[in-house]
Amino acid sequence: AQSVTQLGSHVSVSEGALVLLRCNYSSSVPPYLFWYVQYPNQGLQLLLKYTSAATLVKGINGFEAEFKKSETSFHLTKPSAHMSDAAEYFCASNRNQFYFGTGTSLTVIP
Amino acid sequence: KAGVTQTPRYLIKTRGQQVTLSCSPISGHRSVSWYQQTPGQGLQFLFEYFSETQRNKGNFPGRFSGRQFSNSRSEMNVSTLELGDSALYLCASSSDRNNYGYTFGSGTRLTVV
Repeated sequence: AQSVTQLGSHVSVSEGALVLLRCNYSSSVPPYLFWYVQYPNQGLQLLLKYTSAATLVKGINGFEAEFKKSETSFHLTKPSAHMSDAAEYFCASNRNQFYFGTGTSLTVIP
Repeated sequence: KAGVTQTPRYLIKTRGQQVTLSCSPISGHRSVSWYQQTPGQGLQFLFEYFSETQRNKGNFPGRFSGRQFSNSRSEMNVSTLELGDSALYLCASSSDRNNYGYTFGSGTRLTVV
């Protein structure tokens, strides 16, 4: 069965520093891939999605992710962290059914 | 346009009771999925409905059930509540059959005491 693995359940960065959240998928056939963000007591908000149109995907709030088939990865990045980026981030894959990673909690240090 | 609406936002129930949660998808969306989110288990898929038919089902006991109406609104029901059912229940809707991306509601926080 396909799944996604998020490396690092907690990531801390300084305000203004690069954000890098890691996600690897396990599937012989590249699935559709997504990144979602969740703020406390809220649902999940779609940041970006990969559906095979382009390997570099730009999302909302300055986030982007690059699909690398050779590494089976779909890491999320943002050049400069902002305090408002502190949240839980979920990577997900979909081929007939959605599979979510276990989440990465991002802390931004002022 | 209005987002995915889940009601109620918060709910407290007693063990053994049953509960019904409601989800109104974005207008035009025909796919509705339900997830349970807990600190220990993360996001777990419950079931998905498309055009009133259950298309996929997760690995939950039969106490968890759902349905979708002709207007795409969906309900999920949990009978004989257990303490472990305390969780945030999230509903998500999508416009296309292949679920290129979900739009989530804010969830219903269920507490079982």
